[in-house]
Amino acid sequence: GAGVSQSPSNKVTEKGKDVELRCDPISGHTALYWYRQSLGQGLEFLIYFQGNSAPDKSGLPSDRFSAERTGGSVSTLTIQRTQQEDSAVYLCASSLWSLRQPETQYFGPGTRLLVL
Amino acid sequence: GDSVTQMEGPVTLSEEAFLTINCTYTATGYPSLFWYVQYPGEGLQLLLKATKADDKGSNKGFEATYRKETTSFHLEKGSVQVSDSAVYFCALRRAAGNKLTFGGGTRVLVKP
Repeated sequence: GAGVSQSPSNKVTEKGKDVELRCDPISGHTALYWYRQSLGQGLEFLIYFQGNSAPDKSGLPSDRFSAERTGGSVSTLTIQRTQQEDSAVYLCASSLWSLRQPETQYFGPGTRLLVL
Repeated sequence: GDSVTQMEGPVTLSEEAFLTINCTYTATGYPSLFWYVQYPGEGLQLLLKATKADDKGSNKGFEATYRKETTSFHLEKGSVQVSDSAVYFCALRRAAGNKLTFGGGTRVLVKP
């Protein structure tokens, strides 16, 4: 079946511009996660959505970052007024959700963002 | 807070050599532990996992044992192949939480 897909695969933008990154999770997966992979910081958690619950935004680095998930499926990560330090690979993952055990997270190929 | 420490790379090996990548963690409670692998040009894939102390995860010839007493989850493979060249990430997830906390990654290069 189809895996997690992300678009665009690459994005080059100028400092100060806004960008939107899209994630399509695996069908039926109610949990969705955004991570960032950068040279200086490694792999960092950004935000987590589960069903209709309030998202866990504890990993967002600043208020320039926001994310939404419409209809419990597709998610968009928005970065406003981009800075050069936002350059990174943004990874999306999805999983089933269980109270009893942590379900495996499946990752998309990522969006490579370069802020000039 | 939670943290994962793994050996820095790159690790360069010859084919059929023995591979060990050390991973230790700090977390409250009893987290689940994971190894993810990122092959060149590809996304992160789950390699193996263990959810409780003394569990052994295994896949594709790789093994790792959850050692609560030493807070470790070292990855091993007895005979590596060129196709094992990749970046390997150790990660944990707290039982009560859902996000993954990753180590810094270890690049492995296997030469023929």
